[in-house]
Amino acid sequence: EPEVTQTPSHQVTQMGQEVILRCVPISNHLYFYWYRQILGQKVEFLVSFYNNEISEKSEIFDDQFSVERPDGSNFTLKIRSTKLEDSAMYFCASRVRVPTEAFFGQGTRLTVV
Amino acid sequence: RKEVEQDPGPFNVPEGATVAFNCTYSNSASQSFFWYRQDCRKEPKLLMSVYSSGNEDGRFTAQLNRASQYISLLIRDSKLSDSATYLCAVNSNSGYALNFGKGTSLLVTP
Repeated sequence: EPEVTQTPSHQVTQMGQEVILRCVPISNHLYFYWYRQILGQKVEFLVSFYNNEISEKSEIFDDQFSVERPDGSNFTLKIRSTKLEDSAMYFCASRVRVPTEAFFGQGTRLTVV
Repeated sequence: RKEVEQDPGPFNVPEGATVAFNCTYSNSASQSFFWYRQDCRKEPKLLMSVYSSGNEDGRFTAQLNRASQYISLLIRDSKLSDSATYLCAVNSNSGYALNFGKGTSLLVTP
């Protein structure tokens, strides 16, 4: 069964450093997402990406975040200068089209120290 | 009013019980609705989509009430393995984003 894959599964970084989280969405899907979940809190929408551009973003997705689809398979989230409060689980998701169901990767646990 | 609201629970039920969760949403224009299941520190996994006419998948039944702006999930004959957090998800106004509730925690006990 096709699945969304994310790497790495866990990343520890120092405050102020840049991190890139990577995702390979399901191959025939056209809509790509990043969500985050701070421990004990809800799954929060960050950004959606379609046709090589951001289609929607939340208030959380400020200038320190960026997304890219550098090739035909990868989808990345870059955090430019990490803060302690960026520590969370980051989930990538994809959908074949809207408004169908989204499928999630297993997540990257980001720890900022 | 928050976009998607759920009773956080926890709901503690014995095996074999029937349990129901509700989820309310604020955007009357929302077109699609889903229930996801999330195990501790894992990704949300799609449980079922929610259709206007209601739908059933084995022991699980989902209903949509557009007039009152809520969706429900009914689990019959609960199993120990049903213990998890159940997340309600509703499409945003734009249609691109999927907004989640905080989830309802279910613990099924022997």
